[in-house]
Amino acid sequence: NAGVTQTPKFQVLKTGQSMTLQCAQDMNHNSMYWYRQDPGMGLRLIYYSASEGTTDKGEVPNGYNVSRLNKREFSLRLESAAPSQTSVYFCASSFRSSGANVLTFGAGSRLTVL
Amino acid sequence: EDQVTQSPEALRLQEGESSSLNCSYTVSGLRGLFWYRQDPGKGPEFLFTLYSAGEEKEKERLKATLTKKESFLHITAPKPEDSATYLCAVQGYSGGGADGLTFGKGTHLIIQP
Repeated sequence: NAGVTQTPKFQVLKTGQSMTLQCAQDMNHNSMYWYRQDPGMGLRLIYYSASEGTTDKGEVPNGYNVSRLNKREFSLRLESAAPSQTSVYFCASSFRSSGANVLTFGAGSRLTVL
Repeated sequence: EDQVTQSPEALRLQEGESSSLNCSYTVSGLRGLFWYRQDPGKGPEFLFTLYSAGEEKEKERLKATLTKKESFLHITAPKPEDSATYLCAVQGYSGGGADGLTFGKGTHLIIQP
């Protein structure tokens, strides 16, 4: 099983350009998430989707949009990239275990905005 | 607001030298406390979930414990392959409805041969 697959792995953008990070999971999980990881900041939740057709903001949603295309796919879009969005982005999906959601992460997408 | 603080930020040990990593947390009702391992350039890898104070879980050289305020990840006789960043996270019954985890900044562990 592939688990959680993210594309692209690396991307360089210029300020103001747009792009979409793709994420797909093959574990039949209902919930999916986008996090960003920055040095000294830890992982921070951008958006999540508890089920197909629903999305909600996390801790740091400004500058991002998401789409839950179907149960497998959850994309993250930067409409006008800014240097502050330089980061490593992780997609995750989860299953419920004893009342808590256990997250499985992808390998990450490293984004640099010049 | 859920909060997680991990200490130390970095730890260097000799092979075979046991130690513990700390995770202090505040949460509005604990659904679960999680430990993840992250290797450079990779995504976090799930290790354990703890649900209530007093619970313990083990996996090879790792043992996680939980109290009402903190969790410890004990590493017994570590090997160089245990070198990684260890992340602690909590999930609570937050009023905002966010369904994700709140992570600490991690402890960067280096095991020297």
